[in-house]
Amino acid sequence: EIVLTQSPGTLSLSPGERATLSCRASQSVRSPYLAWYQQKPGQAPRLLIYGASSRATGIPDRFSGSVSGADFTLTISRLEPEDFAVYYCQQYGSSLLTFGGGTRVEIK
Amino acid sequence: QVQLVQSAAEVKKPGASVKVPCKASGYNFTAFFIHWVRQAPGQGLEWMGWMSPSSGDTKYAQRFQGRVSMTRDTSITTAYMELTRLRSDDTAVYFCARGTPSGWWGQGTLVSVSS
Repeated sequence: EIVLTQSPGTLSLSPGERATLSCRASQSVRSPYLAWYQQKPGQAPRLLIYGASSRATGIPDRFSGSVSGADFTLTISRLEPEDFAVYYCQQYGSSLLTFGGGTRVEIK
Repeated sequence: QVQLVQSAAEVKKPGASVKVPCKASGYNFTAFFIHWVRQAPGQGLEWMGWMSPSSGDTKYAQRFQGRVSMTRDTSITTAYMELTRLRSDDTAVYFCARGTPSGWWGQGTLVSVSS
């Protein structure tokens, strides 16, 4: 099973600031089949990014994804009030999918 | 439009089983995998497994092997997740989700396990 480690656990930032979230895989993720989700309290997750860097339908361009080897990054260029939430990475390159533990982005 | 509708809540005793339905509509039910993901209170997302509605093939996370079964009824475009031998730490919200990765999610079913 591929283990995904997200860091930091919590990111305290102000609206307008840049957020950089990391997701490291314990082994190579095929192709790269990695997604990012946003989850707000009481809601189902929402798909933001797939294929490591492609935005899902309707996702604003302030959200971007990148990859370097086994390290994946989600960047939010300028935080809007609605972006404060928990973010999860997920690998789907293996038949056994896994999620990272999540990064909470909170208002400073 | 695409919808995945789940039952609101289930309350079960330890040792019992729960079968959670996920009613799909607005798309070709057999064209996309259905995944099941759970989230314990205050915790992260945990992937449980997937099912192919077209073939019935399944793949389960190792920790649920032997306790989980994912099935479907194509005549009513509904997927099911059954978890047996429930324990208190199975208390969680159980989500169904369409596709890999999952762009559409059900609203979640809260399963509470308590004596």
